[in-house]
Amino acid sequence: DARVTQTPRHKVTEMGQEVTMRCQPILGHNTVFWYRQTMMQGLELLAYFRNRAPLDDSGMPKDRFSAEMPDATLATLKIQPSEPRDSAVYFCASGLRENYGYTFGSGTRLTVV
Amino acid sequence: KNEVEQSPQNLTAQEGEFITINCSYSVGISALHWLQQHPGGGIVSLFMLSSGKKKHGRLIATINIQEKHSSLHITASHPRDSAVYICAVSGRGSTLGRLYFGRGTQLTVWP
Repeated sequence: DARVTQTPRHKVTEMGQEVTMRCQPILGHNTVFWYRQTMMQGLELLAYFRNRAPLDDSGMPKDRFSAEMPDATLATLKIQPSEPRDSAVYFCASGLRENYGYTFGSGTRLTVV
Repeated sequence: KNEVEQSPQNLTAQEGEFITINCSYSVGISALHWLQQHPGGGIVSLFMLSSGKKKHGRLIATINIQEKHSSLHITASHPRDSAVYICAVSGRGSTLGRLYFGRGTQLTVWP
C-alpha cells in the first residue's frame, strides 16, 4: 500500500534548538498538509501546499515555523528556535487533489524540554 | 466556537452494541471525513462523503447537507473498535482542501 512517510517518528530536543521534520507524500499526490495535534487543541492545520505552492499557512507561528516543499517528494517543517509549547504530534497528510481523500503519515512526536 | 462539533466526547459500550457518533458543522463544506485514531496515534481515513450514506463493513456514515449534520454508526461493536473517531470537513471555495476538525470522540468497547 502507498503510504506517507514521516521522519523522525520521535524527537526530543532542548528548548532553543532547531527541529526539522520531514514528510514524503505519496507519489503523484499534489496536495500536502502539515497538522499539529495536542491534548488541549486537538488537530490544527499548520500549512497546506498544492502543487508545491503554499496555499495556507495561517495556522503557523511565522516567527519560528517554516514549511517548504523543495520538490514533489519532500515536504519539510522547521521550528527555530523550538519552545516547550511546541511539544505535540505533527502529522503530514497528502491527497491526489482536494476531496479525493487524504492519507496521513504516522506522525512525529516532538518533545521540547 | 469550533466549526465542527462532535458528540459525545466519550462513549463506553459493551461488545455487540450499536454505536452512534454525531457531528455538526457550521461552515460550507465540499466534503465530510470520518477519521479513526488508535492508541499509538496513527490516523486512518474511514470515509469521505458529500451526500447520502456510505457503508464499509460494520461502519456506516451518513450526512444531511441541509441540516449540516453527519453520523457515524458502528454495528455489532467490538473491542478492536476502541479508538478516537474524528469528524473533519473540507472547506469550499477559497478554503477548498482545508480540513476543519472536531475534537474527537473517545470510544471504548468492553468485552
